[in-house]
This record gives sequence, structure tokens and C-alpha cells, in this order.
Amino acid sequence: EVQLVQSGAEVKKPGESLKISCKASGYSFSNDWVGWVRQMPGKGLDLMGIIYPGDSEIRYKPAFQGQVIISADKSINTVYLQWSSLKASDTAMYYCARRGRLWYEFDYWGQGTLVAVSS
Amino acid sequence: SSELTQDPAQSVALGQTVTIRCQGDYLTSYAANWYQQRPGQAPLLVLFGQNKRPSGIPDRFSGSKSGNTASLTITETQAEDEADYYCSSRDMSGNPLFGGGTSLTVV
Repeated sequence: EVQLVQSGAEVKKPGESLKISCKASGYSFSNDWVGWVRQMPGKGLDLMGIIYPGDSEIRYKPAFQGQVIISADKSINTVYLQWSSLKASDTAMYYCARRGRLWYEFDYWGQGTLVAVSS
Repeated sequence: SSELTQDPAQSVALGQTVTIRCQGDYLTSYAANWYQQRPGQAPLLVLFGQNKRPSGIPDRFSGSKSGNTASLTITETQAEDEADYYCSSRDMSGNPLFGGGTSLTVV
């Protein structure tokens, strides 16, 4: 059974750093792209970027380039999303999702990680 | 447009049929996928490759495309179908794209 299990909710202050995780199981982790999707309160889905764990190729949506870092550790089947200096506007739910190979659909999703940034 | 455009909100009477549309230039070349997101839950894939249903998705959900517009049709709409629906596709480089979402109300 394919599963993506994300790390727990975080409450942070502006300027702090953060790294959240998404642990995959039930499939060949190295061979499928995984994306990070932001959902701000009351808003829609916004793809931040995708990573191919096999060779760590990363494609960022331009709006997120330089704002976050996406990475992967093949040894523990885990993908990460990190910030070096959080802003209040980073407050959102963040989902990881596996991308299908043929139709580019996101077929399995993590449960989401809520990140709250407030002074 | 390089974006995927959806109507922000639609309503449907219980038991009736509703069609949710997604418009974008890349849809002339690539298939659409559709996701359902109920309040407080992660998105759930309901259609992929235009009209294929993942295991467990009822056949009340179907998809089609004409030109640059993809459609998700729900027949015999149930109260549990009240949710946000998002389309997705890809650009020429294989980067995924999401529509802005349609909030479906079942009345």
C-alpha cells in the first residue's frame, strides 16, 4: 500500500527556520516524482515544486524558487521542504504528493503538515 | 493562457447532474486530472488521464475534454460530493499545473 506520512504541525516565529518531512512507503521511492503543494487558509492548491528522488532533480515553480528548498534522502525514503527564514505569509497547510508517470496526476497524498508562523 | 481556469463556485440539487469545467491552453495537448477535497481533508484523486477512475471512485464521476476545456461530470449527486474540486494538467516541460478550484454546494 502506497503511503506518504508527513511530519506534525509546527508553530514558529517569523525569521525562524523549519524543515518538514514526508516519508514514503509501498512503492519504489527513487523512481517517482514527489511534489510539495501549499494551501493557504481558504485558498486553492499551489504546487511549489517537484523532486525526483532517484537523482534529486528538482523543479521549482518560479514563485517559490529561492524561497524554499526541496530535498530528498533515498536511504530513508523521505522528501523534505525547508525554509531558512519563515514569514507570516508562509502560514499554510503543506501537502506532499506522488506524481504518476503517465498522466502526471498526483495519485497519493500525505495527510498535510500545518505550519503556523506568528509573532 | 498558461493557467488552468475554473469557476469559483457551483451548486447542484441533490440527485441531479453537475458539470465542472477547467479551461487552459495546455489542455489542447495534455490530459486533465481531477481532485476532490472535502473540508479538513487532503485532496483525493477522482479522475486521471481525462476519464479514468482510481479504484474506489464511483462511476458517477466521469470526465471528458473538448478543445481547451476539460470537464468533470457528477451524476446522481450525493450530499457527500459537496467539496472543492481541482483540475490539474501539465505544461510542455512536464511541470504540473493546478486550476484554482471549484467549490461545489449540494442543495
